[in-house]
Amino acid sequence: GAGVSQSPSNKVTEKGKDVELRCDPISGHTALYWYRQSLGQGLEFLIYFQGNSAPDKSGLPSDRFSAERTGGSVSTLTIQRTQQEDSAVYLCASRGHLATAYNEQFFGPGTRLTVL
Amino acid sequence: AQSVTQLGSHVSVSEGALVLLRCNYSSSVPPYLFWYVQYPNQGLQLLLKYTTGATLVKGINGFEAEFKKSETSFHLTKPSAHMSDAAEYFCAVSFPSQGNLIFGKGTKLSVKP
Repeated sequence: GAGVSQSPSNKVTEKGKDVELRCDPISGHTALYWYRQSLGQGLEFLIYFQGNSAPDKSGLPSDRFSAERTGGSVSTLTIQRTQQEDSAVYLCASRGHLATAYNEQFFGPGTRLTVL
Repeated sequence: AQSVTQLGSHVSVSEGALVLLRCNYSSSVPPYLFWYVQYPNQGLQLLLKYTTGATLVKGINGFEAEFKKSETSFHLTKPSAHMSDAAEYFCAVSFPSQGNLIFGKGTKLSVKP
C-alpha cells in the first residue's frame, strides 16, 4: 500500500474487555514495530518483528499484551483484560528490507484506545 | 541505560524567528539519531536523521540538526519559523544492536503570528 495503515482509528472499550488493534505495513517491508504513546510516558517501544526471526518482546508492559504477525505482513496487537492505564495511542511502524537500525521507520496514524 | 532528553516540553516562537529544539542523549556507544514531527491526529514523519559522515544534517521543511559527539547533542534548528511548523517534535535514537527507536518525551512547538 501507499503507507502504513492502522485500524480502527479509535476504539472505546470497557475495563476488562479484550481488544485487537491491526496494522498493515508498507508492502514488502520486513520489519514491523508497535509503540505506545501516552501522556505520562511519551512514546514507548512495545514489540518488534523482523522477517521470520523471533520477535523482540522486551517492551511489552505486561503479559496482557501480545502481538502476532501473520505471513510476514499484517500484525495484530492484542490487549487482554484492558485497564484504564492502557488508554493511549498505539502506533505501528514498518521499515524496509535492510536490517539496519538507521533505516527510516514509517509510521501509521495510530489507534486511539480509550478504556472506560 | 540509553536515554533521550528533550529540554522543554513546550517552546513558543514568533513567526519568522529562529526555532531551536534541544535534544541530548545518553549512551555508551554512538547512536543513530533522528528527529520526527507529529502533526495533530497524525502519525510521525521523519524530518531528518544522522547515521555517519557529515555532522550537519539537512531535513525537510528547512530544518537541520547538528550532531555534536562531545556534547552528546543533536539539536534541531530552523532559521525562520512558519505557522505550519506548529507541531510536536520528537528526538529519537537507535543502535546497531537493536531495531527499535528510543524516543524523547517530545517538544510541542507553538508559532505565534
